[in-house]
Amino acid sequence: DAGVTQSPTHLIKTRGQQVTLRCSPKSGHDTVSWYQQALGQGPQFIFQYYEEEERQRGNFPDRFSGHQFPNYSSELNVNALLLGDSALYLCASSQLTSGGKLRTGELFFGEGSRLTVL
Amino acid sequence: AQSVTQPDIHITVSEGASLELRCNYSYGATPYLFWYVQSPGQGLQLLLKYFSGDTLVQGIKGFEAEFKRSQSSFNLRKPSVHWSDAAEYFCAVGARAGGTSYGKLTFGQGTILTVHP
Repeated sequence: DAGVTQSPTHLIKTRGQQVTLRCSPKSGHDTVSWYQQALGQGPQFIFQYYEEEERQRGNFPDRFSGHQFPNYSSELNVNALLLGDSALYLCASSQLTSGGKLRTGELFFGEGSRLTVL
Repeated sequence: AQSVTQPDIHITVSEGASLELRCNYSYGATPYLFWYVQSPGQGLQLLLKYFSGDTLVQGIKGFEAEFKRSQSSFNLRKPSVHWSDAAEYFCAVGARAGGTSYGKLTFGQGTILTVHP
């Protein structure tokens, strides 16, 4: 059973560029959340997607946007990159509902995409 | 707003010694509580979680944690540390909303564990 997979694993961009990160959730999961982890910090919640809609959002500017596809995979897009966007971007999946009932939403994390902005 | 404090940035223990990592949270009601471990350059692995019921929860790799509502704490413990436990540990809190955390967790800043042989 494949876990959460993310691509690319590493990438380098320059200021002002745009980047797209991709995530495939764990089999059976319907919800994808994205987190930013700066060096030496704990992960910070960016947003969550469920049923192809953004359901919750953390304190991140509109330069951060996302998408969820019908197969539950997701993309994170960051426009107009700043040096401060350099971080490990973590995708986490969970199963929000089962049999019409809400589940507790335990997260399973991928290994992340490390973005360096020069 | 919910928050998590991990008072110890870095802890060093000898192999075979006991371990306790501290976590204090701020939340208006009973939260969902989690401990994750992260090895260098890796993602997060769930060690254990508390949703309800017994306040002493058992996790993987011999870890346990105790939820103490009166102290707003969820400390992680292990009776005998192995060299392979060296990693960074994160405590996290999730708000309850209709029975789910909806995937939004607030993490502490982490505690780096070093294990001496």
